[in-house]
Amino acid sequence: EIVLTQSPATLSLSPGERATLSCRASQSVGSFLAWYQQKPGQSPKILIYDASNRATGIPARFSASGSGTDFTLTISSLEPEDFAVYYCLHRTNWPPVSTFGPGTKVDFK
Amino acid sequence: QVQLQESGPGLVKPSETLSLTCTISGVSISKYICSWIRQSPGKGLEWIGYIYHTGSSSYNPSLKSRVTMSLDTSKNQFSLKMTSVSAADTAVYYCAGDPGAPVNAFDVWGQGTMVTVSS
Repeated sequence: EIVLTQSPATLSLSPGERATLSCRASQSVGSFLAWYQQKPGQSPKILIYDASNRATGIPARFSASGSGTDFTLTISSLEPEDFAVYYCLHRTNWPPVSTFGPGTKVDFK
Repeated sequence: QVQLQESGPGLVKPSETLSLTCTISGVSISKYICSWIRQSPGKGLEWIGYIYHTGSSSYNPSLKSRVTMSLDTSKNQFSLKMTSVSAADTAVYYCAGDPGAPVNAFDVWGQGTMVTVSS
């Protein structure tokens, strides 16, 4: 069973600052990793799939990298609407089993 | 535009069965690997299970003994049944769709439906 660990649990920043979020897998997941943003009262929204590909309509300030066990989501310059909780997700190929990380909350400093 | 909508009772008694349905509009259900995900109040996301348009399914090992998913392709719907619920099953339940490669992740979600387990 793959376990995803996210750090930090909370990231306190100001608008305009750079945010760097980490997701670590307990064993290699290749590039099968996605990132989601969730705001209060809303469904999660996909930002990144296949470790580094931005989903449709996602601004260029969101970028991601990594493979194997270590992954990073970077928000180059925080906008007010970016303050939210971010989750990473891995899905195995077959049988399909999905695992979410515990999340990183990006809040106002 | 693809939309998913959950429906079902918002209140279920302990030890009873939770039943939810997700209706997909704007695309055939066969385009997605359909899934249920839940989120307990103030907590993170927990994947419950997948069902393919063929009927094949895969469940979270921690819930497998209590969960069954099914689908009705004629109605473009899929469903979740969870037996012997307890307060620990109180959560917002989301249905979501995974289009397969190259995304291999949930790229469409319903708005979620709150289910409370209480007598």
